[in-house]
Amino acid sequence: NAGVTQTPKFQVLKTGQSMTLQCAQDMNHNSMYWYRQDPGMGLRLIYYSASEGTTDKGEVPNGYNVSRLNKREFSLRLESAAPSQTSVYFCASKHQETQYFGPGTRLLVL
Amino acid sequence: AQKITQTQPGMFVQEKEAVTLDCTYDTSDPSYGLFWYKQPSSGEMIFLIYQGSYDQQNATEGRYSLNFQKARKSANLVISASQLGDSAMYFCAMRDPNDYKLSFGAGTTVTVRA
Repeated sequence: NAGVTQTPKFQVLKTGQSMTLQCAQDMNHNSMYWYRQDPGMGLRLIYYSASEGTTDKGEVPNGYNVSRLNKREFSLRLESAAPSQTSVYFCASKHQETQYFGPGTRLLVL
Repeated sequence: AQKITQTQPGMFVQEKEAVTLDCTYDTSDPSYGLFWYKQPSSGEMIFLIYQGSYDQQNATEGRYSLNFQKARKSANLVISASQLGDSAMYFCAMRDPNDYKLSFGAGTTVTVRA
């Protein structure tokens, strides 16, 4: 039982490049989330998926798209990366009241 | 809109002593949940404790307890018998009434001294 896994752990992009951050959970949770964490701040919600087949915008969705591929996987895509998207990205899934987080992806956009 | 406030950017505590981390929240909804997460220097977010707005008793999990004062809208985390491994950033968070997302405070850095 790996919990919530994220790939890659680190990534460096040039402005304008695209990439997809992958997230998977093996806990059979319905709800999944993508957050970003900027230095000195708490996490902010980008997108979430309450169940397979549904996605909704969070607090800071601009510049991102998501796909809930199946119950296990929830990916985050940056179509044209910008330096403002340099951050640490966390995926989470929810069981009952609690969200459990993956290890994070550190993204640097030059 | 919901808001979480953590006013202590950083704290020092002596090993084996207790430390209280402050968290106040603002919501007009009667149903909400409050959480504390720990983020060590390695970066992962570790769930510590949960308190529901209708829970009658304060939540406890091992050395962690949540001092929930509903009228004052505060949900302070108490860590008893601090250990060096408790050195980390601690975040307070609140679940929205639709149960779909967490709103986080800015965090408090705790440094435990030997």
